[in-house]
Amino acid sequence: AQSVTQPDIHITVSEGASLELRCNYSYGATPYLFWYVQSPGQGLQLLLKYFSGDTLVQGIKGFEAEFKRSQSSFNLRKPSVHWSDAAEYFCAVGSILTGGGNKLTFGTGTQLKVEL
Amino acid sequence: GAVVSQHPSWVICKSGTSVKIECRSLDFQATTMFWYRQFPKQSLMLMATSNEGSKATYEQGVEKDKFLINHASLTLSTLTVTSAHPEDSSFYICSASKYNEQFFGPGTRLTVL
Repeated sequence: AQSVTQPDIHITVSEGASLELRCNYSYGATPYLFWYVQSPGQGLQLLLKYFSGDTLVQGIKGFEAEFKRSQSSFNLRKPSVHWSDAAEYFCAVGSILTGGGNKLTFGTGTQLKVEL
Repeated sequence: GAVVSQHPSWVICKSGTSVKIECRSLDFQATTMFWYRQFPKQSLMLMATSNEGSKATYEQGVEKDKFLINHASLTLSTLTVTSAHPEDSSFYICSASKYNEQFFGPGTRLTVL
């Protein structure tokens, strides 16, 4: 069965500092990997995804993530954090459904706080 | 775009009543939709996979008779919480599948008194 681990429950960074959120996955085949962001009381917004190809993927809001098969990791990075980035971040791995679509398994999330 | 809406955004009901939550894909057709439950400060737990025109597939431990899912059209799936109790209070989020990506609704906050 697939699983996702986000080791850091909370992370606090200063505005302007760099950010890295960790994600490790367990999956039997080549995974589909996603990072989502959730603001309080809101749904999820896709930041970026990896399906195949270039292992460094660019997303919205200046985020990027690197797929490292040897480490089973898909860490999210941003060179300079903005106060508006404070939110909950979820890493997810997807498995293809027979009827189409992708079934997602989410990590437990990382709460990001940004100090001004 | 790929926009998914949910209605209502929040609902308060009395214990023992049933509540229906709608999930709509506004600008695309979705053969597959998903229903998640999220407790405060926790991750999303998949409850069921909803397929248009067929029965939903429930995850282990989810009571299918309590959480009724209907996917009657390619743009609408509904979740009905039957005989709701306070422990059913939660944040329910749906998503609709387009290609290999899921697009999420804004969620519905259910409070059962």
